This record gives sequence, C-alpha cells and structure tokens, in this order.
Amino acid sequence: DAKTTQPNSMESNEEEPVHLPCNHSTISGTDYIHWYRQLPSQGPEYVIHGLTSNVNNRMASLAIAEDRKSSTLILHRATLRDAAVYYCILTAAGTYKYIFGTGTRLKVLA
Amino acid sequence: GAGVSQSPSNKVTEKGKDVELRCDPISGHTALYWYRQSLGQGLEFLIYFQGNSAPDKSGLPSDRFSAERTGGSVSTLTIQRTQQEDSAVYLCASSLIAASFNEQFFGPGTRLTVL
Repeated sequence: DAKTTQPNSMESNEEEPVHLPCNHSTISGTDYIHWYRQLPSQGPEYVIHGLTSNVNNRMASLAIAEDRKSSTLILHRATLRDAAVYYCILTAAGTYKYIFGTGTRLKVLA
Repeated sequence: GAGVSQSPSNKVTEKGKDVELRCDPISGHTALYWYRQSLGQGLEFLIYFQGNSAPDKSGLPSDRFSAERTGGSVSTLTIQRTQQEDSAVYLCASSLIAASFNEQFFGPGTRLTVL
C-alpha cells in the first residue's frame, strides 16, 4: 500500500483558508486519493476524493499535483467546527480497506 | 436517511469475558468494514464483508476476534476472553460496494474498556 505523509498539526484562523498538504510519492496510477476527517469522539467523516483532476464539493477542494505525488485539501473558510484530525488515504484499484496514517490535527483559532 | 449505527456505544467488561459489538450499516450497502482505534493511535483495519462473506480477515489481531454478517445487513464483532489491550474504540463503516473509489460511511463507534 502506498504511504502518505502529513504534518502532525496545523493552525488556522477562523474565516481564513486552510491548505492541508499530503505527500504520496509512491502513488500508483490507479490509486485514489481520499480525505476524511475525524471530529472529537466521532467516527471519520468523508470530505472529498479524487484520482487525477482537481475536485470541488460543498465541503472542500482537492488539488492534485500534476505528477500526483502530492495533494492538498483546501478548506476555503475555516470555522471552529472544522477543528479535527484530517486523514489523507490512498486506495489502490481492487482494494477497499483504508490504511490510516496519523493525520493532521487542525486547530482553528477564533 | 439513517446512517451507520453501532451498539452499544460504550461497553465496560472484565478481563476474560466475551463481548459482542453490533453494527447496522446503511440500508442497501453491500460492503461493511470493521476498524479499531486504540487510545492515541490511528485507525487500523480489522475485517471487511462483501455481502455475508469476509474475503479479507487479515486485520484481525488474534483468533480471539471473529465477525459475522447475516442477511447482508447487520454485523457482529465478537471478542472472546477479552484482554486489556483490546480496549479501544471499534468503528464500523459501510459502502455501496467494496471498491477503491467508494466513500465509506462510518458509525459513531463502540468504546470498549476492559478492566
């Protein structure tokens, strides 16, 4: 399974954009990039996923580097409710289980 | 609609006792997954079901752990002769099908404490 590397923690001010990076230099051509987040005392929650092209949804945007060796989750306006651990996960074609790393703990300052 | 539900939400047991944890997936989801999250640790995969069969049990930590799924719906994770190191939050997730591009929907988890 391809490995992902994320910073342990990040801080952001409320109402400002947040860019959460993820490195995955050993990614394969058919690996999907998923982002989940886990709020305190809750199960992980889907945020966004993509393969090659940048993706947008109501929660966030996913920017994927041209060589696919890194990606960035963008929260356009951080709120206090966005404080969570964010996980970047790769899934290879034909696989289904998530291999969670340690994630990035995002702190949002009021 | 209803999400993934798990019961009980909390379970305290004594070392050596057996426990059963239940997961109700989202209706219509054929794939079901069990993960666990130990205190201060990340989430680790335990087992997954496609329908009622479990093609991948590779994550089960020992033969004290078993799981079954009936009717393509409810799943039960059983831990026999519990040990203190089994203390963790056990999370269940479901998806429409088991595929690399599918979103998994997680339940709130069962917090297991083994005294």
